[in-house]
Amino acid sequence: TQLLEQSPQFLSIQEGENLTVYCNSSSVFSSLQWYRQEPGEGPVLLVTVVTGGEVKKLKRLTFQFGDARKDSSLHITAAQPGDTGLYLCAGNTDKLIFGTGTRLQVFP
Amino acid sequence: GAGVSQSPSNKVTEKGKDVELRCDPISGHTALYWYRQRLGQGLEFLIYFQGNSAPDKSGLPSDRFSAERTGESVSTLTIQRTQQEDSAVYLCASRKGGVSYGYTFGSGTRLTVV
Repeated sequence: TQLLEQSPQFLSIQEGENLTVYCNSSSVFSSLQWYRQEPGEGPVLLVTVVTGGEVKKLKRLTFQFGDARKDSSLHITAAQPGDTGLYLCAGNTDKLIFGTGTRLQVFP
Repeated sequence: GAGVSQSPSNKVTEKGKDVELRCDPISGHTALYWYRQRLGQGLEFLIYFQGNSAPDKSGLPSDRFSAERTGESVSTLTIQRTQQEDSAVYLCASRKGGVSYGYTFGSGTRLTVV
């Protein structure tokens, strides 16, 4: 069974702080995606990383795919209240295997 | 339509009754997925349709769960003899092409079994 563990599970921070969310697996994935989900909505794709060691930036968000394509991280710089939500990593096989999720709360 | 549409958005049913959940994918998206999300948790894969291939049913938790899809259009997820542990949000997603494409999710159906 392929499992994706995310850490931390919960994160409460003040506006302006930096944070990193980790996504780890014992399995190798062809690609990995990060999604953000807000209450009452489905997850929305943030980024897809494909190559081991790849780094992608999306404004204040930086995503990295591990060299062995088993793990990934999401770093947010100067968090804003609008970043609040559930962050999910997902490994790609023929279907997405979702991580356990990290619930982020950013206080003004 | 522009997005993935799911109906109903909310469903309350009595234990033991059958329910049908509907998903309208984005036109032209060949792959369709059903996931279940329990309160405060991640997404649990249920079933996957890809074109005319046999569906991947490996995530269905019991034989009370079934799903159908006609061609590349609407899908229905049916839960028979609902139990309280079936209470969750059921999310549908469609994908345009290969596995590197992002999934587009609907807003889900919140099922409550009382």
